[in-house]
Amino acid sequence: KNQVEQSPQSLIILEGKNCTLQCNYTVSPFSNLRWYKQDTGRGPVSLTIMTFSENTKSNGRYTATLDADTKQSSLHITASQLSDSASYICVVSARTGNQFYFGTGTSLTVIP
Amino acid sequence: EPEVTQTPSHQVTQMGQEVILRCVPISNHLYFYWYRQILGQKVEFLVSFYNNEISEKSEIFDDQFSVERPDGSNFTLKIRSTKLEDSAMYFCASRPSGTTYNEQFFGPGTRLTVL
Repeated sequence: KNQVEQSPQSLIILEGKNCTLQCNYTVSPFSNLRWYKQDTGRGPVSLTIMTFSENTKSNGRYTATLDADTKQSSLHITASQLSDSASYICVVSARTGNQFYFGTGTSLTVIP
Repeated sequence: EPEVTQTPSHQVTQMGQEVILRCVPISNHLYFYWYRQILGQKVEFLVSFYNNEISEKSEIFDDQFSVERPDGSNFTLKIRSTKLEDSAMYFCASRPSGTTYNEQFFGPGTRLTVL
């Protein structure tokens, strides 16, 4: 069964600190993995996409990694800001079909 | 920058009533989706739509639900005989043609409250 699991479920960090969010998936055959940021009451917005051949990709203070062998991805946020407080969702798609598999999300709270 | 829009932003209805949630996808996109997110829970796939027909649907998308693209711009989700457990945020998304590498763009959502 195609599933996406994320950890931790929630995280509280001090402004300026770094954090790493984890995503494990069983989606097969794997096509790509996206990290989304979802502000409260809003739709998800894409941060980065990883394909099978990519190990790491950065977008500003966000750095995503992918290990396709172990089916794991991480999202590292450096020098966190209050505006980083949101839910971060890992979404995986397969090479067959037209469906996207959503993780449970990690709720990040950055406090001053 | 083009964006997906959804109306209304908040819909309150009585149990048993029918509701129609509306979405205007980005104009040159060809794949359309509806998702549901119950408060505090994960985003759940409902249905995907391509070439004027449903391409995939989840177990949640039963006979109570239907989708339509009535006029080439709007994409609607109809929920018949709403139940309390239908209360959730409903997100519409669209993406260009091609592989799933192409990003889905999400609308701001409609919050449905069933009383």
